[in-house]
Amino acid sequence: GQQLNQSPQSMFIQEGEDVSMNCTSSSIFNTWLWYKQEPGEGPVLLIALYKAGELTSNGRLTAQFGITRKDSFLNISASIPSDVGIYFCAGQLLFTGTASKLTFGTGTRLQVTL
Amino acid sequence: DTEVTQTPKHLVMGMTNKKSLKCEQHMGHRAMYWYKQKAKKPPELMFVYSYEKLSINESVPSRFSPECPNSSLLNLHLHALQPEDSALYLCASSQDAGTDTQYFGPGTRLTVL
Repeated sequence: GQQLNQSPQSMFIQEGEDVSMNCTSSSIFNTWLWYKQEPGEGPVLLIALYKAGELTSNGRLTAQFGITRKDSFLNISASIPSDVGIYFCAGQLLFTGTASKLTFGTGTRLQVTL
Repeated sequence: DTEVTQTPKHLVMGMTNKKSLKCEQHMGHRAMYWYKQKAKKPPELMFVYSYEKLSINESVPSRFSPECPNSSLLNLHLHALQPEDSALYLCASSQDAGTDTQYFGPGTRLTVL
């Protein structure tokens, strides 16, 4: 199925550093979502964006819905060891009046060293 | 509370077995989803139920059979699976199937021998 272009594919950073990752698409989405997934677990919602240009924060996380509706970025400030995991962006599009579909990015694997 | 529960957490089955995966949510959500996730890949949508009716079937093989007995429960019946069906199966739910945010369960790790 379709996947969004997400970069970088992986990151190795030191504790305390800031992190930035982004997603781009050739298609327009109504909603952008950012999830974090740890090994053996399901994705956990971090931030949801509903309007083009919207900038939203959740603690040390900040995400923006691109003005063209075809991209989004996620920033993590002052990373800590528990930030380790795979981060997925997801674009949501209304499919019919009663259904929608999520298209996931390819994921960014984040490793944090002390 | 944004909890979606899934059972079992792990399942090992032979290719001739019949088994079922179960998903439950008590958030009053009216849309529920099944996803399949292979290692190091993003989740891939399989089925969408909206108000207990199947809305989307992403051309999934008939050896996977979804069922939504009521608005809180979603089952995935498995029969005659292949080893390549081994994956993490994720359930999700949302308030409705429009543009509402999807919340995921922890998944069932399925191994087909």
